[in-house]
Amino acid sequence: RKEVEQDPGPFNVPEGATVAFNCTYSNSASQSFFWYRQDCRKEPKLLMSVYSSGNEDGRFTAQLNRASQYISLLIRDSKLSDSATYLCVVNVGGYNKLIFGAGTRLAVHP
Amino acid sequence: GAVVSQHPSRVICKSGTSVKIECRSLDFQATTMFWYRQFPKKSLMLMATSNEGSKATYEQGVEKDKFLINHASLTLSTLTVTSAHPEDSSFYICSANPGQGPYEQYFGPGTRLTVT
Repeated sequence: RKEVEQDPGPFNVPEGATVAFNCTYSNSASQSFFWYRQDCRKEPKLLMSVYSSGNEDGRFTAQLNRASQYISLLIRDSKLSDSATYLCVVNVGGYNKLIFGAGTRLAVHP
Repeated sequence: GAVVSQHPSRVICKSGTSVKIECRSLDFQATTMFWYRQFPKKSLMLMATSNEGSKATYEQGVEKDKFLINHASLTLSTLTVTSAHPEDSSFYICSANPGQGPYEQYFGPGTRLTVT
């Protein structure tokens, strides 16, 4: 079983749509959780950290369910510029080791 | 803030040669940097953790004699791919943690290596 699992997609949505991505992780000792965004042939960029109480940053909302070992990302009012691969990332242990999911591709069309 | 650079951005080399990739933290000091590789449409895979002033910690299955890591200062880590082969062709990305927030890492722009 992969340490971090994501639906690879692609998710093809029209502008303005709301889209949700899910992610599960296998290590119950995981401590920190993130969503990164990666554009084609570019490096990953931190989108947002995910906190236990859930957190929101503009059109983006992240949720964490530790009991189910499940993380989600909700994007409201999708923009063309949101088209990218979204990486679910988990930190295990005390020395910043990050485990990446394979990513979920989002394509927003006019 | 939290800018990480890599050089070169792209390199093409012949089989059997060695290639050095530099990773620099431009506006912060990083005692720890990380090296990843990514194959097309695949996830980033951690290769090794680079520790300033000490030996790197390699992930299982990564040959330390093939992928030499040196972290001689708090702002520079280098990865040398020795005796490169076509199967080493990949996207190599470094990252560093600026010491703020819950283990956030900032990534360099990556180096695309093609071995012919």
